[in-house]
Amino acid sequence: GAGVSQSPSNKVTEKGKDVELRCDPISGHTALYWYRQSLGQGLEFLIYFQGNSAPDKSGLPSDRFSAERTGGSVSTLTIQRTQQEDSAVYLCASISQLTSGGVRTQYFGPGTRLTVL
Amino acid sequence: KQEVTQIPAALSVPEGENLVLNCSFTDSAIYNLQWFRQDPGKGLTSLLLIQSSQREQTSGRLNASLDKSSGRSTLYIAASQPGDSATYLCAASGGGSQGNLIFGKGTKLSVKP
Repeated sequence: GAGVSQSPSNKVTEKGKDVELRCDPISGHTALYWYRQSLGQGLEFLIYFQGNSAPDKSGLPSDRFSAERTGGSVSTLTIQRTQQEDSAVYLCASISQLTSGGVRTQYFGPGTRLTVL
Repeated sequence: KQEVTQIPAALSVPEGENLVLNCSFTDSAIYNLQWFRQDPGKGLTSLLLIQSSQREQTSGRLNASLDKSSGRSTLYIAASQPGDSATYLCAASGGGSQGNLIFGKGTKLSVKP
């Protein structure tokens, strides 16, 4: 079946503009993660959604960042008043089960490369 | 706070060589450890996942080991091929109900024909 998809694949914006990044997880996957990969840095956890529970926003770098997941499926990551340091590849991942005895393989999308001029 | 370190940052080898990529983590209370491959402009592909109760996992020419007590994992690639050229990422899962991964910065591997 189809994997995790993300759109757009590339986004160039001007400093101060708002952007929305979209993630379509694998159908039926209950958990969804957003990560950020800055140049020369490892992947950084941003936010996590699990079913209908309140999202874990502990990784969001500032209040300019927000995310939502509608209907337990598609997720959008919104960055308001973008800054140059927001330039990075934003990756989305979904996972099929999240139990203490389950295997937690995360399936990643191709990412959105955001460039803030 | 969990920190994951990968050494070396970059590695270049001739085709056919066996090689080892290293990963270390500071908090041994991990749930599992995963190795991923990242190709330029593409997302991550999961290669191997080792649960905390396991010592190693094998898939084809890849073998990953886990030593929780020493906070180390290695990825062994046998008979390397040019198609193995990519960045290899190690990630530790913190467990609990969250499952988010803590990533190293990766090892960029280049296998020369």
